[in-house]
Amino acid sequence: GAVVSQHPSRVICKSGTSVKIECRSLDFQATTMFWYRQFPKQSLMLMATSNEGSKATYEQGVEKDKFLINHASLTLSTLTVTSAHPEDSSFYICSARPQTGEQETQYFGPGTRLLVL
Amino acid sequence: GQNIDQPTEMTATEGAIVQINCTYQTSGFNGLFWYQQHAGEAPTFLSYNVLDGLEEKGRFSSFLSRSKGYSYLLLKELQMKDSASYLCAVMDSNYQLIWGAGTKLIIKP
Repeated sequence: GAVVSQHPSRVICKSGTSVKIECRSLDFQATTMFWYRQFPKQSLMLMATSNEGSKATYEQGVEKDKFLINHASLTLSTLTVTSAHPEDSSFYICSARPQTGEQETQYFGPGTRLLVL
Repeated sequence: GQNIDQPTEMTATEGAIVQINCTYQTSGFNGLFWYQQHAGEAPTFLSYNVLDGLEEKGRFSSFLSRSKGYSYLLLKELQMKDSASYLCAVMDSNYQLIWGAGTKLIIKP
């Protein structure tokens, strides 16, 4: 089956530093990748949609200068949390839609838990 | 606006049956998904319904009524490992997933 990986799985950083999270589709090419954030006991919230080779589309309320998304290839998208603050501590999950196949198909990565001290 | 409603928490007994309901109001509809999420992990896919009716997959079944904006996930022969959150998500007209807050299912021996 299709596999999506995320790295790192867990990261602790100091307030004010930047953190990069990678999302890779391991055995398929993904034209579209989605970045979600999930706070404890809450639903997944879509942060942005990234399409390979073009700028990401951010959801309302998500600061594009704070959450930098780069989808440089058909198998890799990165999310950089710049100048992280404790309120950015959350579970970040990516998903990838295969280049071929149905539009409703998305494969989820295992998630990255970010803790900002 | 778009809205997905599901109960916050449910409790059931090992070996029993439980039904988790989900109602939705979205701009467009391209299918309804159920995911299972264990604490600290990403969601895993359980089922996808786009037509009305019941889809059965082993111990899990999912039902959809588009006219009523309603779905349920039915879990039979409950096992302790079924303790998790169950997320209902609807794919809207833009093929974006709109997520419910999830139902935490607690299984007691």
